Amino acid sequence: DSGVTQTPKHLITATGQRVTLRCSPRSGDLSVYWYQQSLDQGLQFLIHYYNGEERAKGNILERFSAQQFPDLHSELNLSSLELGDSALYFCASSPRGQGYNEQFFGPGTRLTVL
Amino acid sequence: DAKTTQPTSMDCAEGRAANLPCNHSTISGNEYVYWYRQIHSQGPQYIIHGLKNNETNEMASLIITEDRKSSTLILPHATLRDTAVYYCIVRSLTGANSKLTFGKGITLSVRP
Repeated sequence: DSGVTQTPKHLITATGQRVTLRCSPRSGDLSVYWYQQSLDQGLQFLIHYYNGEERAKGNILERFSAQQFPDLHSELNLSSLELGDSALYFCASSPRGQGYNEQFFGPGTRLTVL
Repeated sequence: DAKTTQPTSMDCAEGRAANLPCNHSTISGNEYVYWYRQIHSQGPQYIIHGLKNNETNEMASLIITEDRKSSTLILPHATLRDTAVYYCIVRSLTGANSKLTFGKGITLSVRP
């Protein structure tokens, strides 16, 4: 158990819908990272938040957005969903914004878009 | 971050050492070598990292060549639970972005 929690574990929805994925980092960790893992693209970095502020963006679509709240939990919002958005979404946390050794990954949310 | 090259797959017998190679010929001086693994759709798990010296922890050993262009992750006594995809990642610790760039990794199958 990494100490990172993600909810829900599974999510099934229809094209065009909007969903919110939630991540609670390890106690005391200030950084949250979001990654997407699909069969054709592998594990890809989406976005990084540190202490409430966006630090870096990766291959994140404009239909996706994220935020980190004062209690440090983070939410990833996916809208106008398409079939290709079906994937595993992981969040990871680390104590600082940079220069730290490891990221601790949550168990993931499996999103299925029908 | 520098690119890494790993074989697609390998297997080893349970109880034997598993030696997982990684090439990173374009690695620069401030980049570290990290290894993560992912067991069947679970979240990736950190294993070990190093800069230029060999490193060992309770999970594995990391051997980095003197020119730093390649490295080997060693699982000294592989078990069935070590069956996973292993990712070799080269990453700089400077700069504002500490993202991990995952390649395809190597699938290790441990056979009984």
